[in-house]
Amino acid sequence: AQRVTQPEKLLSVFKGAPVELKCNYSYSGSPELFWYVQYSRQRLQLLLRHISRESIKGFTADLNKGETSFHLKKPFAQEEDSAMYYCALPYSGGGADGLTFGKGTHLIIQP
Amino acid sequence: NAGVMQNPRHLVRRRGQEARLRCSPMKGHSHVYWYRQLPEEGLKFMVYLQKENIIDESGMPKERFSAEFPKEGPSILRIQQVVRGDSAAYFCASSPNQEETQYFGPGTRLLVL
Repeated sequence: AQRVTQPEKLLSVFKGAPVELKCNYSYSGSPELFWYVQYSRQRLQLLLRHISRESIKGFTADLNKGETSFHLKKPFAQEEDSAMYYCALPYSGGGADGLTFGKGTHLIIQP
Repeated sequence: NAGVMQNPRHLVRRRGQEARLRCSPMKGHSHVYWYRQLPEEGLKFMVYLQKENIIDESGMPKERFSAEFPKEGPSILRIQQVVRGDSAAYFCASSPNQEETQYFGPGTRLLVL
C-alpha cells in the first residue's frame, strides 16, 4: 500500500540556516510526489511537484528512488517559511487522482 | 475566482444525527476530491468525483458515508448516524482535470458530541 512518512513532527531552525524536511515513501511503480504547504490561517496549497522540477520560494526537492525519499530543502530559511508542510503521493497506482498525505512537519523559523 | 468554497466551516452534531458537508469547486473545475483529517494525522483520501459520477470511492468507509456531485450545485459529503469517531476536519479539493493541481478548500470541522 502507498504510504508517506514524515519523521519529524516539528522542526525549528534559525533564520538564514538551511532547512531539510524529510519525506520517505513506499509505492509500487514510478510515483509522482508533491509537497503541500499550509501557512497560518490559510488553506492547503501546492508548493511543488517533482515532475515539474521547479524551484518555488527557494525550495527544491529531489526524488531519490534508491532511498525512496523526496526531501524538501532550502539553503537559507526565512521567517515567512514557518508553516505546516505535507508530503503527498497518488493514492492509487498511477494517475493524479486522490492523494495520500504524510502527517506533516511543523516548520518554525526563529528570528 | 473565489477558490474552493466549503460550508459550513464548523458543524456540531449529536451521535445518530446526519451531517451534510458542501463543497463548491473553483469555476471551471469539474473534478472534486474529498479528504478527511483526524487529529494529529495527515489528510486521507476518501472519494473522487466528476460531475454526476463517482470515479473512485475506495477511501470512503463502506457504511454511513456517501458523496455526490450533481450536474447543478455543490458536491455533498453525507454522513449518516454520526459517531464520535467521525469528528475530524473534512477537506474538499477541485481540479480542472485529472492531471492538474488540486486546489483545496478551507475545510469543515465536524464535532460529534
